[in-house]
Amino acid sequence: DTGVSQDPRHKITKRGQNVTFRCDPISEHNRLYWYRQTLGQGPEFLTYFQNEAQLEKSRLLSDRFSAERPKGSFSTLEIQRTEQGDSAMYLCASSSRDSPYEQYFGPGTRLTVT
Amino acid sequence: AQRVTQPEKLLSVFKGAPVELKCNYSYSGSPELFWYVQYSRQRLQLLLRHISRESIKGFTADLNKGETSFHLKKPFAQEEDSAMYYCALRANYGQNFVFGPGTRLSVLP
Repeated sequence: DTGVSQDPRHKITKRGQNVTFRCDPISEHNRLYWYRQTLGQGPEFLTYFQNEAQLEKSRLLSDRFSAERPKGSFSTLEIQRTEQGDSAMYLCASSSRDSPYEQYFGPGTRLTVT
Repeated sequence: AQRVTQPEKLLSVFKGAPVELKCNYSYSGSPELFWYVQYSRQRLQLLLRHISRESIKGFTADLNKGETSFHLKKPFAQEEDSAMYYCALRANYGQNFVFGPGTRLSVLP
């Protein structure tokens, strides 16, 4: 296990298109987080899963964003009808039951909306 | 709402000098505070959390509830400490972590 992985690493899309990102957490981790990071800012919380249940979602998150973790393992984040303001780095993190607040981050997916 | 501020975008110190990275927060409850670090071309990783009260890589941080601060300190900076440092807060409910904007530490030879 080489840690949290994300795919793709880079995505360029045209405004109005839908995009989907995948995150594979560390295998024994039951908690999974999605964040968005724009230039000059820290990561901004988007949503949180415990196993397959989506337990928290940012109130700032547009309804164009949806996330799933169907079997409690990998997760997907979909953005519908992308806008230029969605351009950012999308980070995934996972943590375990034993150390729930020690998050392990993935390398991120950089989205550019043209 | 919770908020984390890091007033310095960039902090430059010479090797061997003390370093202090400032972090202030706003939250009415009892928060849990963290410092995360991102070295060049590496992933964001946890450096330390206030509950553990550990010293990691020579860094320490004390939660000051009166001043609502969680400053990161190291008595003698090393060149390998050069990185981006983020302060983060977790409210005493939920899993919503709030990160500050980060401070880039540059340790000069």
